[in-house]
This record gives sequence, C-alpha cells and structure tokens, in this order.
Amino acid sequence: DTEVTQTPKHLVMGMTNKKSLKCEQHMGHRAMYWYKQKAKKPPELMFVYSYEKLSINESVPSRFSPECPNSSLLNLHLHALQPEDSALYLCASSQAPKRADEQYFGPGTRLTVT
Amino acid sequence: EDQVTQSPEALRLQEGESSSLNCSYTVSGLRGLFWYRQDPGKGPEFLFTLYSAGEEKEKERLKATLTKKESFLHITAPKPEDSATYLCAVDTGTASKLTFGTGTRLQVTL
Repeated sequence: DTEVTQTPKHLVMGMTNKKSLKCEQHMGHRAMYWYKQKAKKPPELMFVYSYEKLSINESVPSRFSPECPNSSLLNLHLHALQPEDSALYLCASSQAPKRADEQYFGPGTRLTVT
Repeated sequence: EDQVTQSPEALRLQEGESSSLNCSYTVSGLRGLFWYRQDPGKGPEFLFTLYSAGEEKEKERLKATLTKKESFLHITAPKPEDSATYLCAVDTGTASKLTFGTGTRLQVTL
C-alpha cells in the first residue's frame, strides 16, 4: 500500500482564521514533506521532516507552522494567511531521509484564502 | 544551480499515436530521476525511478529511459485516459530535495 491521506480535501479560510492541514501515512516512511503547488506550476518544497525532526525549511513565512507528532502524522498549522497563499497543498513521504527514494504524494488539500 | 527542463510544454496526440516526452537536466550529481503523472487537482502519482544512464523501466504503455543528460518518457499507442501532466524530478543528494521540471501537459483524443 502506497497511500498517503490528507484532510480536508478543500478548505476555505479568512485571513484571520487559524486552521490545520493533516497528513497520514502507514508505510513506515521516515521522511515526510509539505509542498505548495500553484496552478500549472510544479510542486514547491516547503518543509522536510526526517525521523520526526524538521530538517529543511525552505524560507517559508512563519504563518505556516509544521508539526510532526509521530512518524505517521504530519500537520501544517495555518494562521493569518494571505490570498496569495491559496494553492494546492501536498503532503508526501519517502522511505528514508537522504536516500534517493521515490516520494509518494497525497491527494492534496485545496486551500482558498478569502 | 540544478536545472530540469521538460519539453514540449504541451502535447496533443490522437489515440494510438506514439510519442516521447523529454526531460533534460543539468545537475551537479544525479542520484535519481523520477517520473510522475498528475491529474488536475490531484497529487502526483509516482511512475518510475531511474538511477543510472542506460537504465530503462516499463509500465503498461509507458517506458522511461535515462542518459547522462536527459530522460525520455515514451508513450506507445496512448489512450484518452493517459491524458495528464507528466512531471520529472531529480534528486541530487541535497537532503532528499527534489527539483521538478515544469511538466508536459498531454492530451490524447479519440
């Protein structure tokens, strides 16, 4: 099974709201990722977690706050977002950090900031 | 700086009309090249991993090949359900970071 699940599928939030995106995998993968994807563009890496520790932050604004409670779960906490943050947010996982393993993506959360 | 370029940007084929998509790369050290398929509004679906020049992988109507400078995704006798955006990405060993190309939007018509 190579499934990564994400909830919710769609999210509409105002600029003053606080919300969270959730991601789960049960493949025993020890690397997990958050990507942002705008229309007709490739995914852009935001964060990488290796063995539940944040290893890469691609200079993402602090209004995005990642969390990895355990090896199967990844959250992305959102606060005071801007309309330009509207995008498809993708979670991915791979077997081990620092290995050239394929990443498996979830279906994404379509975020709209009003 | 690592660069990945995909061509063409868009491709329209008739059902059964075989073709190839190109992914050329300029990287400091390739550890792996990945092909993904992405349907609109969905997450990328993993297709293939290629690690070294000369390697080939096949799955149904798709075949991926790799040289020292580029990779091809060959589509044989495509069907309308093969319509999607095809992304290639490279891993150059920088802490599991993938560098993606901009994708090829493939449309297969009856």
